[in-house]
Amino acid sequence: EAGVVQSPRYKIIEKKQPVAFWCNPISGHNTLYWYRQNLGQGPELLIRYENEEAVDDSQLPKDRFSAERLKGVDSTLKIQPAELGDSAVYLCASSPILDGKFSTDTQYFGPGTRLTVL
Amino acid sequence: DAKTTQPPSMDCAEGRAANLPCNHSTISGNEYVYWYRQIHSQGPQYIIHGLKNNETNEMASLIITEDRKSSTLILPHATLRDTAVYYCIVRSRSGSARQLTFGSGTQLTVLP
Repeated sequence: EAGVVQSPRYKIIEKKQPVAFWCNPISGHNTLYWYRQNLGQGPELLIRYENEEAVDDSQLPKDRFSAERLKGVDSTLKIQPAELGDSAVYLCASSPILDGKFSTDTQYFGPGTRLTVL
Repeated sequence: DAKTTQPPSMDCAEGRAANLPCNHSTISGNEYVYWYRQIHSQGPQYIIHGLKNNETNEMASLIITEDRKSSTLILPHATLRDTAVYYCIVRSRSGSARQLTFGSGTQLTVLP
């Protein structure tokens, strides 16, 4: 079974430029997450999708960040314009449909996109 | 969600058991304990989770104390590939139940 796919793996841009990250979740997983991980810290949730709907975007900086999940499968996270402080690893994760048991809701992570803003 | 406390780093000799502690003294009755690990340059990987009883799978064992205020992740025979940051996460069943709140974790270094 293929895991969560993310691209690109690395991206270097100058500040004020736009950037986009793409994620393809595991087939059949209806929940998709975007996390940001700063150096030396654990990942922090940015947004969570249930199918096409963003059900938790409270931590997404909406002035410059946007995300979409068309057709409830692939997702794109965009930053426009990027700032120096946006340098981080952006992780995508997915989880399967609950089968009535909370304990089975395990998240599967992709390798992440390392963004460097100069 | 309850907060967790983990040592920032630990070493373990290859082939020996690695015992990673986690304190979660404010855990509530319906919160699960999850463990993930993150190998360098990779995304986090699920290891194991539990509620009250001890759990074991092909990767590790999870020992939860009777009062549920702490737990220990056990890697029975650590290898060099187990070198990673290990995150202990306590997760609520309500509200943003699907959110994982990561701390700083424990950097486990397995030594040859």
